[in-house]
Amino acid sequence: KQEVTQIPAALSVPEGENLVLNCSFTDSAIYNLQWFRQDPGKGLTSLLLIQSSQREQTSGRLNASLDKSSGRSTLYIAASQPGDSATYLCAVDSNYQLIWGAGTKLIIKP
Amino acid sequence: NAGVMQNPRHLVRRRGQEARLRCSPMKGHSHVYWYRQLPEEGLKFMVYLQKENIIDESGMPKERFSAEFPKEGPSILRIQQVVRGDSAAYFCASSPRDRFPEQYFGPGTRLTVT
Repeated sequence: KQEVTQIPAALSVPEGENLVLNCSFTDSAIYNLQWFRQDPGKGLTSLLLIQSSQREQTSGRLNASLDKSSGRSTLYIAASQPGDSATYLCAVDSNYQLIWGAGTKLIIKP
Repeated sequence: NAGVMQNPRHLVRRRGQEARLRCSPMKGHSHVYWYRQLPEEGLKFMVYLQKENIIDESGMPKERFSAEFPKEGPSILRIQQVVRGDSAAYFCASSPRDRFPEQYFGPGTRLTVT
């Protein structure tokens, strides 16, 4: 049974810092992995999708990597801004179901 | 191309009433997925439907919950005799076919049971 874990559960850093969010999964047989952002009381914003054959994807200040063999993905955020404050969710597509991590709550202090 | 639409965005029901949540997939998408996010918990898969077929309902509670995706019209998630524990955000996603890489999410319906 696929399980997805995100570490840390919460993170608070000063503005301008580079940071890394971690996601691990127990079954390497995945089709893809997605990173989402969720603001309080709001919906889901898709940030990056990495297909199983890919190693990384980049969008602006965001870079996501995937290592299937070790069951890990990281989301790198460069030059963090207060507007990046949100909960970041990792989701693994194992068999059309998305299996979700509990998220990392990120606070960027001005 | 409009995105996935869900309505209502907010729904308040008293215990024992029925809740109907609607999801209109993106144009050309014939696959719909429902997920539930309980307060302070992660998202959980509920059901996967194609037009007129339930493909996988392994995440649906055994009682009171049902889902459909008719040939015409939106997908409906129906909760009968709601209880306070049903209060949650319900998200719908769609994709044009299975094994397509990305599911596109709607804004969610927030159900509050009083």
